Amino acid sequence: DVKVTQSSRYLVKRTGEKVFLECVQDMDHENMFWYRQDPGLGLRLIYFSYDVKMKEKGDIPEGYSVSREKKERFSLILESASTNQTSMYLCASSFEWERTSGNTGELFFGEGSRLTVL
Amino acid sequence: AQKVTQAQTEISVVEKEDVTLDCVYETRDTTYYLFWYKQPPSGELVFLIRRNSFDEQNEISGRYSWNFQKSTSSFNFTITASQVVDSAVYFCALSEENAGNMLTFGGGTRLMVKP
Repeated sequence: DVKVTQSSRYLVKRTGEKVFLECVQDMDHENMFWYRQDPGLGLRLIYFSYDVKMKEKGDIPEGYSVSREKKERFSLILESASTNQTSMYLCASSFEWERTSGNTGELFFGEGSRLTVL
Repeated sequence: AQKVTQAQTEISVVEKEDVTLDCVYETRDTTYYLFWYKQPPSGELVFLIRRNSFDEQNEISGRYSWNFQKSTSSFNFTITASQVVDSAVYFCALSEENAGNMLTFGGGTRLMVKP
């Protein structure tokens, strides 16, 4: 079974702290994603990576950065946490998209990290 | 720009009732992919289905069925004879052909099935 593991289910941080959210996948997926989930807004893409050391901005990258030093690991960094970054953060991974490969395009998600910034 | 709208934020039904979750999408691409995901209380989103824009055939999987209509830009999801275990948040999502695996999600519909 594909497994996407997020390091912390619940975190409480103070405004201005640096926060690291770690995500590891064990299926040798090329693509990895960080989403933020807020009530009524669904999931919004923060950053994604299609290869080691490669990253692309999603819809809401401001206030975040990412790191992908190894294929299986994708980290989300909040350089200086703010209260409006209180949210559920979801990591996902998938194979490289190939339309003819039979790949469903399915994203495999971790269980989420609920971050509260005080 | 692509957009997915799930107008129903919350639905409550009694067990064994049928329920339909609506999904309306917007895209300028002629080739795109539509998805449904389920998020149970544990938090982990689970893939349910993918549909290609060039395949309008409806699909049935057990108690689940999906109605894809390009004419109305809708991809609705019906659960027949709902069960308490169906209680979850359901997300509809869209991916355009050149966007790879980048999905745009709707706001989600929380389904509560009461015994």
